[in-house]
Amino acid sequence: AQKVTQAQTEISVVEKEDVTLDCVYETRDTTYYLFWYKQPPSGELVFLIRRNSFDEQNEISGRYSWNFQKSTSSFNFTITASQVVDSAVYFCALSDPRGGGSQGNLIFGKGTKLSVKP
Amino acid sequence: DTGVSQNPRHKITKRGQNVTFRCDPISEHNRLYWYRQTLGQGPEFLTYFQNEAQLEKSRLLSDRFSAERPKGSFSTLEIQRTEQGDSAMYLCASSSGGQGGKNIQYFGAGTRLSVL
Repeated sequence: AQKVTQAQTEISVVEKEDVTLDCVYETRDTTYYLFWYKQPPSGELVFLIRRNSFDEQNEISGRYSWNFQKSTSSFNFTITASQVVDSAVYFCALSDPRGGGSQGNLIFGKGTKLSVKP
Repeated sequence: DTGVSQNPRHKITKRGQNVTFRCDPISEHNRLYWYRQTLGQGPEFLTYFQNEAQLEKSRLLSDRFSAERPKGSFSTLEIQRTEQGDSAMYLCASSSGGQGGKNIQYFGAGTRLSVL
């Protein structure tokens, strides 16, 4: 069965600290996509990144970086020099591989609530 | 505003009443998804449209739930005879065509339903 596990329910850091959010996934499919979304208190899920299963290069976007390791089925997200505006719930998601991924339904983890204190 | 729009943002209803939510996707997107999110959980897939065709329904979508996308543009989600367990945030997302698994889904702000 496809599954996404975000073991960290809540993380609290002080501004300017680095923080890593963990994501472990399970799938039997060889072609799949992984995503990270941010959900601020307003409720709208904001897309952050998409990664396909054949691209294991790490990616950096400003203060955000992602570490994809297929060998450990992990797709971790690091925020460098965290800011108060980073406070939100962060979700890792896996595209549903049924039908070769044609539907594209997302399977989400339970999310990690990040609180960044000034 | 060219993002996904959902109305209403909040809905309070009494148990047993019917409710309807609306989602207006990003205009050029042919795929539309409904998800449900309860407190402390990630969104869970409910149903999916490609244009006007409803191609998949989750087992979470009981027969009290019905969704439509009559002209392949906006969509409605109706819940009949609401129950307290239906209280949740209902999220809509849209994406462009092509192989679905890689498509980026863009989400609306959701409709928060409270059933008293």
